[in-house]
Amino acid sequence: GENVEQHPSTLSVQEGDSAVIKCTYSDSASNYFPWYKQELGKGPQLIIDIRSNVGEKKDQRIAVTLNKTAKHFSLHITETQPEDSAVYFCAASITGYALNFGKGTSLLVTP
Amino acid sequence: GAGVSQSPSNKVTEKGKDVELRCDPISGHTALYWYRQSLGQGLEFLIYFQGNSAPDKSGLPSDRFSAERTGGSVSTLTIQRTQQEDSAVYLCASSLVSSDTQYFGPGTRLTVL
Repeated sequence: GENVEQHPSTLSVQEGDSAVIKCTYSDSASNYFPWYKQELGKGPQLIIDIRSNVGEKKDQRIAVTLNKTAKHFSLHITETQPEDSAVYFCAASITGYALNFGKGTSLLVTP
Repeated sequence: GAGVSQSPSNKVTEKGKDVELRCDPISGHTALYWYRQSLGQGLEFLIYFQGNSAPDKSGLPSDRFSAERTGGSVSTLTIQRTQQEDSAVYLCASSLVSSDTQYFGPGTRLTVL
């Protein structure tokens, strides 16, 4: 089955700096790549997603890039704010409905 | 509008007991998913419903786990003869149609003593 690796597992940045989280996937048939943010005691919330026919997508301070050849995709958060502190999960899907998640990155933004 | 809701939010049970976890998807969403989140295994896909049918049950860890969906809406995940390794947060998600964005509920934290 699909295997998703996510790095780093923890990330600490100062407010205003950028944060980058990277994921790799094993199955070249994967075609959907969402990113979720999870705050303590809550369910994951979609922040951005990308499909395999697109190389980059941006939404305000958040962007995702996809390299299908290398089978990796990355989340970029610019101008980080304390409220960005949370656990971020990447996922990849072959079927479009079963999401295979990475292990998560705990992001801490310090004022 | 209302999001995905799950009940109970917390469930503590004794080993060997059966438990039922409930999910109310977003109104009008035809697809529903169950995932399990545990410290050791991360977020794992369990089962997917399209309407009342479950085309993919491949993630259910054993035959002690079952799920149903009625009326194209509410879903129940049942775990029989619970074991300590079943302790986890069980998350439900729904989407308007299959392969669309999945919206997650807050989860049910299950603790098996």
